Amino acid sequence: KAGVTQTPRYLIKTRGQQVTLSCSPISGHRSVSWYQQTPGQGLQFLFEYFSETQRNKGNFPGRFSGRQFSNSRSEMNVSTLELGDSALYLCASSRPRQDGTQYFGPGTRLLVL
Amino acid sequence: GENVEQHPSTLSVQEGDSAVIKCTYSDSASNYFPWYKQELGKRPQLIIDIRSNVGEKKDQRIAVTLNKTAKHFSLHITETQPEDSAVYFCAANSGGSNYKLTFGKGTLLTVNP
Repeated sequence: KAGVTQTPRYLIKTRGQQVTLSCSPISGHRSVSWYQQTPGQGLQFLFEYFSETQRNKGNFPGRFSGRQFSNSRSEMNVSTLELGDSALYLCASSRPRQDGTQYFGPGTRLLVL
Repeated sequence: GENVEQHPSTLSVQEGDSAVIKCTYSDSASNYFPWYKQELGKRPQLIIDIRSNVGEKKDQRIAVTLNKTAKHFSLHITETQPEDSAVYFCAANSGGSNYKLTFGKGTLLTVNP
């Protein structure tokens, strides 16, 4: 099976802009979680989608949002970008069983100038 | 919410020695504890996980132990090899969901030939 894929892999934006990142899960996986990784804060949970519904949410401001499509692909959007949003954004997909094992994609590296 | 503390932040060992990384968690409801390895520029990869109904799990040179009473779990790598050099993250599920992981800050393991 192909692994989790994310596009784009690299992105440069300026403050105030918005950005949309995409994640395609492993075939058959219906849960997609998003994480932000920074050197200072490490890996932090953003949100999780299952069957097009946000099922879990982390402690990020409302500028961070996401959605999931009927084919389980997911997007996350960050509006009004701030310098501190520069990070590696990782998504992870999980199998339908309730074991929660998460498989990560390669990430999208976002640089906000 | 869940808080996961990980120690040490850096660990340097000689090839062939053992390495131990320790994590503590705060949420007594947590019952799923995965460990991820992340090489420079790569995605986090699951190396082993443990659930609260077992106290120890082994996979070749890697083992994880869990003490639910003390709320701590540890990763043990025996006969370390240079290719074991990477950042290792522990995590715990939180909020009653297997799909919302709280990560430790990571341990940079360096195995010297």
